[in-house]
This record gives sequence, C-alpha cells and structure tokens, in this order.
Amino acid sequence: GENVEQHPSTLSVQEGDSAVIKCTYSDSASNYFPWYKQELGKGPQLIIDIRSNVGEKKDQRIAVTLNKTAKHFSLHITETQPEDSAVYFCAASRDTGNQFYFGTGTSLTVIP
Amino acid sequence: DAMVIQNPRYQVTQFGKPVTLSCSQTLNHNVMYWYQQKSSQAPKLLFHYYDKDFNNEADTPDNFQSRRPNTSFCFLDIRSPGLGDTAMYLCATSRDYIINGYTFGSGTRLTVV
Repeated sequence: GENVEQHPSTLSVQEGDSAVIKCTYSDSASNYFPWYKQELGKGPQLIIDIRSNVGEKKDQRIAVTLNKTAKHFSLHITETQPEDSAVYFCAASRDTGNQFYFGTGTSLTVIP
Repeated sequence: DAMVIQNPRYQVTQFGKPVTLSCSQTLNHNVMYWYQQKSSQAPKLLFHYYDKDFNNEADTPDNFQSRRPNTSFCFLDIRSPGLGDTAMYLCATSRDYIINGYTFGSGTRLTVV
C-alpha cells in the first residue's frame, strides 16, 4: 500500500513569512495529491490539489509543487496570516483508487 | 451551507454502551466514507459505501459497523465502545471513485468513559 510521510510535524512562522510543508510518497502509481487544512474542532477542508501531469499549481498565496521522479510534493504558503494557523494534511491516491493515504499532519502556527 | 452534516458534534458514551453517529449529505455523491482520527494523528479509513455496496478496510475492528439506508444518510455504529475508540470520527463524500477531492463533514468527537 501507499505510505505518505510529512514534515515537519510542527511549524511556527512570523506573520508575513513563508511556510513550506513537505511530503513524500511510496507508490509510484499515485497520481493525485490533495492538501487539506483542518482547523480546531472542524473537519479537513480541501485547499489545493495537484495531479501528476502538472509540476506546479498556484492559487493566490498557496502553491503546490510535485516532483514525480523523486516522489515528493510540497505546500507553499506565502505572506502567512494568523488565520492560516491550522493543521495541514497532505494525501496521495491513485486517480481510480477509492481512498486517500494521509500524511501525519503539520501543525502550523503563524505568530502575529 | 453545510453539505456534509454530522451529528452529534460531541458525544460521550460509557464503556461498552452502543453508540451511533450520523452523517448526511446534500451533494448526491455516490461514495460515503467513515474515517477515525485519533489525537494528533492522520485520519484512518474505516470503511466506505459506493452507493449500496459496502467496502470494509481489512484492519477495521468488527466492533465498527455501518449502514447506508439511502443516498443521503450513512451511520456509524460502534457496538461496544472501548476507551481506545475515543477519537474524532469524520464522514466524507465524493462523487465517484475518480478522485477529485473529498468533502468532509465537521466530525463527531466521541469520548468513551
């Protein structure tokens, strides 16, 4: 099965700085990689995703990069704001699979 | 508007007392999933329904059961909760197996005492 590793487990940044979270995966057949943001007491919310036919995707302050050869992908948040504080999960799946394999999460704290 | 609704938000139950968690969706999605998320851990898939077809994960304890009486509703039944079942239980839906991101509910935080 797929194994997804995520680093770091905790991350603190000053407001306005950038934050980077990295994930690696083991199944070379995985081709869909979503990122979820989970605020305290809430369910995860999809914030951005990327498919293996794309190397980078950006949505305002959030970007995701994918290196399929090295089997790793990263989340980049620029100009961080206090409301970005949350737990972020990466995940991997096959396009025709029936579940995601989640990383262990990164607790991001943005210090005002 | 909430599209995947879980009830209750918080549930406390006694050791060994059966408990049922509820999930409803207004998205008309074919697939409904139940995940267990323990403190500071990633969500772990328990089982899912594709329409009426039930798919259990190999390592899901027999203590956990599920029902999907119609497209909109799915229930998680824990027949004899143990202390180790204290967790957040997340319901998620997707239109089909061609993965395009789940829609999660807000979760039910279950505490077994």
